[in-house]
Amino acid sequence: KQEVTQIPAALSVPEGENLVLNCSFTDSAIYNLQWFRQDPGKGLTSLLLIQSSQREQTSGRLNASLDKSSGRSTLYIAASQPGDSATYLCAVRGTGGFKTIFGAGTRLFVKA
Amino acid sequence: DGGITQSPKYLFRKEGQNVTLSCEQNLNHDAMYWYRQDPGQGLRLIYYSQIVNDFQKGDIAEGYSVSREKKESFPLTVTSAQKNPTAFYLCASSSSTGNTGELFFGEGSRLTVL
Repeated sequence: KQEVTQIPAALSVPEGENLVLNCSFTDSAIYNLQWFRQDPGKGLTSLLLIQSSQREQTSGRLNASLDKSSGRSTLYIAASQPGDSATYLCAVRGTGGFKTIFGAGTRLFVKA
Repeated sequence: DGGITQSPKYLFRKEGQNVTLSCEQNLNHDAMYWYRQDPGQGLRLIYYSQIVNDFQKGDIAEGYSVSREKKESFPLTVTSAQKNPTAFYLCASSSSTGNTGELFFGEGSRLTVL
C-alpha cells in the first residue's frame, strides 16, 4: 500500500532564502507525482507535475525532482517571498488505477 | 474559464440530516473524485468515478453516497450514517485519455455539524 510522507511538517524561513521541501513514497510503481499549494480555507492549486519517466520539472522559481528508485521527490523554492507562505502537498498516483495518495503537507511561513 | 465549481462553500447540518455537496466541471474531464481533508492529515479519497454512470468506493466511503448521471457533475451526499462529517470536502477531476493524469481541484466545501 502506497504511503506518502512529507518532512518537515512545518518550516519558517526569512525572506530571500532558498529552501527544499521533501516528499517520500513507499512504492516506486508510480504513474506521476504532483506538487500542490494550498492557502488556508482554499482548494489545491497544482504547481508541478512530474511523469514517471521524467526526472524534474521547473516553473519559475520552483523546481521539482523525482527519484523513483529511492522513492523521493523534492520541491525547491528559490528566493522565497512572503507570498509563498502556504501549505505544500505532495501527491502520488500509482500505475494500477486512478487513486492518488497525498502526504499530510508542509506548512511554510516566509518572514518579511 | 474552465474549472471546477463546488457549492455551497459553507454548510451547516444538524445531526440526523443528509446533505448534498455539488461539484460541476467544464474541463471535459472523464474522471472525478471526492476527497475529505481533516486538520493535520492528508487528503483521503471518498469516491471516484472514471466514467458516467460508474463510480467506485475510495478509502473512506462509509456514510457517503454519490451519483454520476452527467459527465460534468459528481454530487456527494453526506448521510446521517457518517459518524464524524465535520470536515473540508474537495472535489477534483482529471482527464483519462492519453495524457498526464494531472489533478485539478475546486475551492472546497466546509461542512459543520451542529
